[in-house]
Amino acid sequence: GNSVTQMEGPVTLSEEAFLTINCTYTATGYPSLFWYVQYPGEGLQLLLKATKADDKGSNKGFEATYRKETTSFHLEKGSVQVSDSAVYFCAPRHGGSQGNLIFGKGTKLSVKP
Amino acid sequence: EAEVAQSPRYKITEKSQAVAFWCDPISGHATLYWYRQILGQGPELLVQFQDESVVDDSQLPKDRFSAERLKGVDSTLKIQPAELGDSAMYLCASSSTGDGNTIYFGEGSWLTVV
Repeated sequence: GNSVTQMEGPVTLSEEAFLTINCTYTATGYPSLFWYVQYPGEGLQLLLKATKADDKGSNKGFEATYRKETTSFHLEKGSVQVSDSAVYFCAPRHGGSQGNLIFGKGTKLSVKP
Repeated sequence: EAEVAQSPRYKITEKSQAVAFWCDPISGHATLYWYRQILGQGPELLVQFQDESVVDDSQLPKDRFSAERLKGVDSTLKIQPAELGDSAMYLCASSSTGDGNTIYFGEGSWLTVV
């Protein structure tokens, strides 16, 4: 079946460090790809998305590129801030506009001042 | 900015009692989802509606969980009787056929069963 694998956390970085969170997925088709962020005790907020191969999603300094050949959607940020501390979820959406999201366990990021 | 509304935000209930959660999706969103998120894990789909019809409830424990969306707008998720293992966050989400295929989530309802 369809699944997603994220790098295990927690990831601890110093402020202004470079961030990469790896994400790979298995799929029979070409899903849309999403990154969501969850702050403690809150729901999920959309961070960025890409709907087709080679698309780059970006928001708030975060970027991810839809790589069909490697079935990956790695999240990057050049300089993290303490306020970026949260849990990050990579989620493919299969089944088009009526499909649902498949989540992995998420990656917890802690940024130290 | 339009949001998915959920209530209650927090609920503590004793095991074997009944509990219900309510969700109001973003206006005009035909697709509504209920996810369950156990602490430290990712959300898992419980049920998906398209308008008032159930599209997928394969992971809903139907012996104790029920969900309805009678008029195709707001929705209620019920648990009866609650068990200790039901302690989790219950997330409602919605989407429309446009809007870049995006699913939007509410703030969630925390359930603690004691």
